[in-house]
Amino acid sequence: GENVEQHPSTLSVQEGDSAVIKCTYSDSASNYFPWYKQELGKRPQLIIDIRSNVGEKKDQRIAVTLNKTAKHFSLHITETQPEDSAVYFCAASTSGGTSYGKLTFGQGTILTVHP
Amino acid sequence: KAGVTQTPRYLIKTRGQQVTLSCSPISGHRSVSWYQQTPGQGLQFLFEYFSETQRNKGNFPGRFSGRQFSNSRSEMNVSTLELGDSALYLCASSRGFEDTQYFGPGTRLTVL
Repeated sequence: GENVEQHPSTLSVQEGDSAVIKCTYSDSASNYFPWYKQELGKRPQLIIDIRSNVGEKKDQRIAVTLNKTAKHFSLHITETQPEDSAVYFCAASTSGGTSYGKLTFGQGTILTVHP
Repeated sequence: KAGVTQTPRYLIKTRGQQVTLSCSPISGHRSVSWYQQTPGQGLQFLFEYFSETQRNKGNFPGRFSGRQFSNSRSEMNVSTLELGDSALYLCASSRGFEDTQYFGPGTRLTVL
């Protein structure tokens, strides 16, 4: 089955710096890659996602890039703010077949933004 | 639109008991997926239901089961609870024909 590796496990930055989190996946059939942000005691919230027919997607300070050949995708946060501090999870899934509704998650990255 | 809701939010049970958790999806969403979140194993997929049918199942023992009703609400059941079942159980809903999943707040289960 699919396996998703996420790095780093912890990331500490100063306010205003950029943060980059990287994930690799094993199943070449994976075609959907969401990123979730989970604050302490809260639900995971979708912050951005990308499908395999797109190489890059941006939403304000957040961007995601996908390299299908290398089977990796990355989350980029620019101009970080203290409220960006949270655990970030990458995930991968394959539409249809026997994979309906299944997201395979990375282990998470604890991002701390220092004021 | 109201988000995904889960009840109860917290549960304390003892080993050997069974528990039922409930999930109400976003209105119009027909797919409900369940995940177990623990510090050691992270987020792991349990199963997915669409139109009252289980379409996909993760690698969990048969003690974990679920169902979906005609209004798309879903329940999951864990029988013969073990200490290792202590976790945050999250459900997520989607329209069913795309992959975007929206999570509920979770049910925190503690097994003593």
